[in-house]
This record gives sequence, structure tokens and C-alpha cells, in this order.
Amino acid sequence: AQSVAQPEDQVNVAEGNPLTVKCTYSVSGNPYLFWYVQYPNRGLQFLLKYITGDNLVKGSYGFEAEFNKSQTSFHLKKPSALVSDSALYFCAVRLGLGSSNTGKLIFGQGTTLQVKP
Amino acid sequence: DTEVTQTPKHLVMGMTNKKSLKCEQHMGHRAMYWYKQKAKKPPELMFVYSYEKLSINESVPSRFSPECPNSSLLNLHLHALQPEDSALYLCASSQIPGGPTDTQYFGPGTRLTVL
Repeated sequence: AQSVAQPEDQVNVAEGNPLTVKCTYSVSGNPYLFWYVQYPNRGLQFLLKYITGDNLVKGSYGFEAEFNKSQTSFHLKKPSALVSDSALYFCAVRLGLGSSNTGKLIFGQGTTLQVKP
Repeated sequence: DTEVTQTPKHLVMGMTNKKSLKCEQHMGHRAMYWYKQKAKKPPELMFVYSYEKLSINESVPSRFSPECPNSSLLNLHLHALQPEDSALYLCASSQIPGGPTDTQYFGPGTRLTVL
């Protein structure tokens, strides 16, 4: 079965320090991986995605993610955290082509990022 | 522009009321989605419309009725809801359903409270 795991409910980091939000996945076939961010009382905002190619994906607001096929991971990173990065982050995998659930996203449980000044 | 709009922002309704949520996108996307989200939980897929036809219904109770009048609009009709249906309802759209680079873009949501 397809699944996504975000092992940390919350990540705390000081402003200016690097941050990592972890995500691992289990899918059959090629994974299509996404990161979304949700600020309080808002919808999900797309950050970045991995489809194929370079394992290091760069996205919005200075975020990047590293795809690691052997470890089935897709961790979100940022070199220097901002207080305004504090939000709820979701990792997701989309079922690939040919599946009866084409287009469906499987979300992780979410990780709350708290950046303190 | 990757904007999906949703109205209303907030909705309070009684269990006997009939109301509708609206979603609109003008990006030329051909897939539209309804999700339900409880606080601090991931969104749960409810319905998918692909090329204006219902392609996925995730066994949603019949008190929720989706409608896609055209490629830009998506409605969710609500009737005889229960208090446990209170949640944030998110609409999303994507360019080509299931295409290799397909990305879902979300609206801001409608906060629904059922009394």
C-alpha cells in the first residue's frame, strides 16, 4: 500500500539555523513527491515537487528537498530558518500514471515547524 | 497565477439547512478536487472531477453532493449535515489529471460549522 510518513509531529529550530523536516514514503513504481505548507486558517500552499531528474529540488521561499531513492526519503530543508516559516508542513506522494487513483495525493500526518527568535 | 478562490470563507449552518460551497479557478485546469480537513490533520480527499466528469468519490455520504457546471467552477452542495461534518473544506485544481508533472493548487478553504 502507498504511504507517507512524517516521523516528527513538531520540529523546533532557532531563527537563522538550518531546518529539516523529514518525510519517508512507500510506493510501488516511480514516486511523485510533493511538499505543501499550511499557515493557520489558510489553504495548502505548494512548495516544491520531485518528478524525475536531479535529486535536489529547489522550491519557493528558499526551501529545497533531497530525494533519496535508497532510503525512500524526501526531506525538506532550508539553510536559514525564519520566524515566518512557522507553519504546518505536509509531505505527499501522488499515485503514478496508470493507477485507478490517478491524480490522488497521499498525505503524511504533517509536521508543525516552530521557529523561535 | 495559481489562484483558486473559494466562497464563502466561513459558513455556519444548522443540521436542517441546505447550503453550497463554491470554488473557482481560471488557470485552464481540467481537474478539480474537494477535500475535508480537520484541525492539524492532513486533508482527506472527497471528490475528483476530471474533464468535468466525476472520476473519484471516496465513499462520501450522500449529504454531500458535488457539481461541476463547467471547467472553471466546482460546487459542493450540503444538506442535512451533522456536527461532525464541521471542518475546513478545501478545493484544489490541477492542470492535467494524473499527468507526470501535475500539481494540485489549493484554495484558502471554507470553514464550516454545523450546529
